[in-house]
Amino acid sequence: DSGVTQTPKHLITATGQRVTLRCSPRSGDLSVYWYQQSLDQGLQFLIQYYNGEERAKGNILERFSAQQFPDLHSELNLSSLELGDSALYFCASSVATGIEQFFGPGTRLTVL
Amino acid sequence: AQTVTQSQPEMSVQEAETVTLSCTYDTSESDYYLFWYKQPPSRQMILVIRQEAYKQQNATENRFSVNFQKAAKSFSLKISDSQLGDAAMYFCAYRASFQGAQKLVFGQGTRLTINP
Repeated sequence: DSGVTQTPKHLITATGQRVTLRCSPRSGDLSVYWYQQSLDQGLQFLIQYYNGEERAKGNILERFSAQQFPDLHSELNLSSLELGDSALYFCASSVATGIEQFFGPGTRLTVL
Repeated sequence: AQTVTQSQPEMSVQEAETVTLSCTYDTSESDYYLFWYKQPPSRQMILVIRQEAYKQQNATENRFSVNFQKAAKSFSLKISDSQLGDAAMYFCAYRASFQGAQKLVFGQGTRLTINP
């Protein structure tokens, strides 16, 4: 158990819908990262937040957005969902200057 | 942009034998970190081992060791005395050292099968 929690574990929804994925980092970790794992794209970095502020952006679609709240939990919002958004979404966290990132169990999103 | 390449989509090894997974990367940075992550069927990402680029000594964690060749930009993982529980996808990952770029860049993964 990494100490990072993600909810829900599984999510099944329809095209065009909007969903919110939630992540709670390890106690004391200020940085949160979101990654997408899909069959065609592999594991890709989406976005990083540090202490509530956006720190870095990767290949995140405009239909996707994220935020980190004062209690340091983070949410990833996916809207206008398409079939190709079906993937495993990981959250990871690290301490401020931490080298290692600790991954949550992931949320499996299925878009039908 | 940094890239990570794992040229072996699948590997298999007999239980108790040794196997080496390959990884190459491309970067213009001189200081960075490299990692091997394991992803078993549970899908959890588990850190196996890490290497700091400024360290010449290869990292070792029990049965897992790396061969880090900085000039060749190569970072292979050796698993000794393979066990059934080692069966998983293995991902090589790169991370820049400077503060603004802490994201992990992953290779495509190698699926390791352990034959009893």
